[in-house]
Amino acid sequence: GENVEQHPSTLSVQEGDSAVIKCTYSDSASNYFPWYKQELGKGPQLIIDIRSNVGEKKDQRIAVTLNKTAKHFSLHITETQPEDSAVYFCAAMIGYDKVIFGPGTSLSVIP
Amino acid sequence: GAVVSQHPSRVICKSGTSVKIECRSLDFQATTMFWYRQFPKQSLMLMATSNEGSKATYEQGVEKDKFLINHASLTLSTLTVTSAHPEDSSFYICSVLTSGHYEQYFGPGTRLTVT
Repeated sequence: GENVEQHPSTLSVQEGDSAVIKCTYSDSASNYFPWYKQELGKGPQLIIDIRSNVGEKKDQRIAVTLNKTAKHFSLHITETQPEDSAVYFCAAMIGYDKVIFGPGTSLSVIP
Repeated sequence: GAVVSQHPSRVICKSGTSVKIECRSLDFQATTMFWYRQFPKQSLMLMATSNEGSKATYEQGVEKDKFLINHASLTLSTLTVTSAHPEDSSFYICSVLTSGHYEQYFGPGTRLTVT
């Protein structure tokens, strides 16, 4: 079945610096790659996603890249702010329903 | 995106009792909803897929007689944890699948503590 790996598991950056989280997936049939931000005690929030027919997508300070050949995708957060501190999950979807989540990255932005 | 609510947000129950958690899609008619559980500092684990008007599909290792799912309408799915035990204590989160773009939007979660 599909397996999603995510690195690093924890990440600390200074406010204003960039943060990069990388994921790999195993099933080449995966066609949709969402990223979720989860704050303590809350449900995950969809922050950006990318589909298999594009290589890059940007939304203000957040960007995602996809390399289908290598089965890699990454989240880039620029000009980080303390409120970006949270756990971030990458995920991969096969078909139209089942989403497999990565293990998560705990991001800390130090003021 | 879709707006999803869950009730209750947290519940404490005694071992052996049953607890019902509601998941509502407030602004979208969801044919498909999902139930996840999440242990501290871990990722989300899919428990079951809930389809309106039909039986839920459970993931391997999830007891369907213990975790009863009812998706009676396009806006409501319920998860009932029957005969709860302390090891069932967890964060339960539902999500809805939007049609067309097939995005998942999550509810705020329910913290279940079984004493």
